[in-house]
Amino acid sequence: QSALTQPASVSGSPGQSITISCTGTSNDIGAYNYVSWYQQHPDRAPNLLIFDVNNRPSGVSNRFSGSKSGNTASLTISGLQAEDEADYYCSSYTSSSTLYVFGTGTKVSVL
Amino acid sequence: QITLKESGPTLMKPTQTLTLTCTFSGFSLSTSGVGVGWIRQPPGQALEWLALIYWNDEKRYRSSLQTRLTITKDTSKNQVVLTMANLAPVDTATYYCAHIPGCSSGSCRRFFDDWGQGTLVTVSS
Repeated sequence: QSALTQPASVSGSPGQSITISCTGTSNDIGAYNYVSWYQQHPDRAPNLLIFDVNNRPSGVSNRFSGSKSGNTASLTISGLQAEDEADYYCSSYTSSSTLYVFGTGTKVSVL
Repeated sequence: QITLKESGPTLMKPTQTLTLTCTFSGFSLSTSGVGVGWIRQPPGQALEWLALIYWNDEKRYRSSLQTRLTITKDTSKNQVVLTMANLAPVDTATYYCAHIPGCSSGSCRRFFDDWGQGTLVTVSS
């Protein structure tokens, strides 16, 4: 089971919107609506941002939104803020014996 | 409030067996659908799922590491233990345990909503 593919880096200016893509296969993203996204600040544990493609846990800003089309999922951050500068990982449940797969990670920079 | 904390050795030698303990509070590993997973992250690299155990003792492993991993739970102690045999330097990573929520409205959860702080394990001769 290979890692999901994400762009290495995405940047934007404060207030702008950015989108991070996450490409998988018909055995993971394409097979289930079990895509989740995690934010990770340096030297910190990951924090759940989105689950089941487009659901936010309580306490997560509505500036974060998720979507999916075919084998590709996306995370959009609107109204970019300095505090959004972090690494972002997608994840999907899979149909293989390796139940979960994570993305390669995207570093978001706020210019 | 759910908390998880990983504990174990910080320095290991190649070929040794690593034992990591995840001690948690705020949930029961006897509740339907609930699970605890282990995920690791080599320095500067991406997250990698390793294993998980569910409330019903169902266990699942990363296929490429299946022969080296064992996961167990002690519900009475609120602990999950992961062992990894035959360590190599490439196993150097921060190891996290994380909570999988229980089922809701007939749908079981497939994400990690609470994570421990992680523990860095270095494998070096």
